[in-house]
Amino acid sequence: EAGVAQSPRYKIIEKRQSVAFWCNPISGHATLYWYQQILGQGPKLLIQFQNNGVVDDSQLPKDRFSAERLKGVDSTLKIQPAKLEDSAVYLCASSPFGGGPYEQYFGPGTRLTVT
Amino acid sequence: RKEVEQDPGPFNVPEGATVAFNCTYSNSASQSFFWYRQDCRKEPKLLMSVYSSGNEDGRFTAQLNRASQYISLLIRDSKLSDSATYLCVTTGANNLFFGTGTRLTVIP
Repeated sequence: EAGVAQSPRYKIIEKRQSVAFWCNPISGHATLYWYQQILGQGPKLLIQFQNNGVVDDSQLPKDRFSAERLKGVDSTLKIQPAKLEDSAVYLCASSPFGGGPYEQYFGPGTRLTVT
Repeated sequence: RKEVEQDPGPFNVPEGATVAFNCTYSNSASQSFFWYRQDCRKEPKLLMSVYSSGNEDGRFTAQLNRASQYISLLIRDSKLSDSATYLCVTTGANNLFFGTGTRLTVIP
């Protein structure tokens, strides 16, 4: 079974530029999560989708971050404009429908460096 | 207050040693608890769940103390391959709350 796919794996941008990350969850997984993991910290949930609807985006900085999952499959996360403090690994995870919150499978992440 | 708090370490232990990590959680209504393992520059992966009665998986033992709101992970007979960051995790309604992780290095 293929895992969660993410691209790009690495991205370096200057502050105030825009960036987008892509995630393709495990086939058939209805729930998709985006996490931000800053160096030395645990992952922090940014947004959770159930199919193509948002379940929780309370931690998403909506003035600069946006995410969508239009067809209920793959998802994109965008930052516009980026700040230095956005440097982090952005992890995508997916979970099967009906699975508990712990049944999350993580992708390899996108490492973002903002200079 | 953070949902989950852990000692970030690092813990440097010799091969064969026993090492224990603790973490505390703030939400007394949390129902489920887990330990995830994260290797350097890799994604987190579920190591084991933590049950009220305690549970063991080979060299790993997890304990939950609801009264004191802490979770522990014990690793016996440490191997070099156990070197990683161990993340303590509790659940909200639909998602996970991660601690900062405790970094373990097993030394030959």
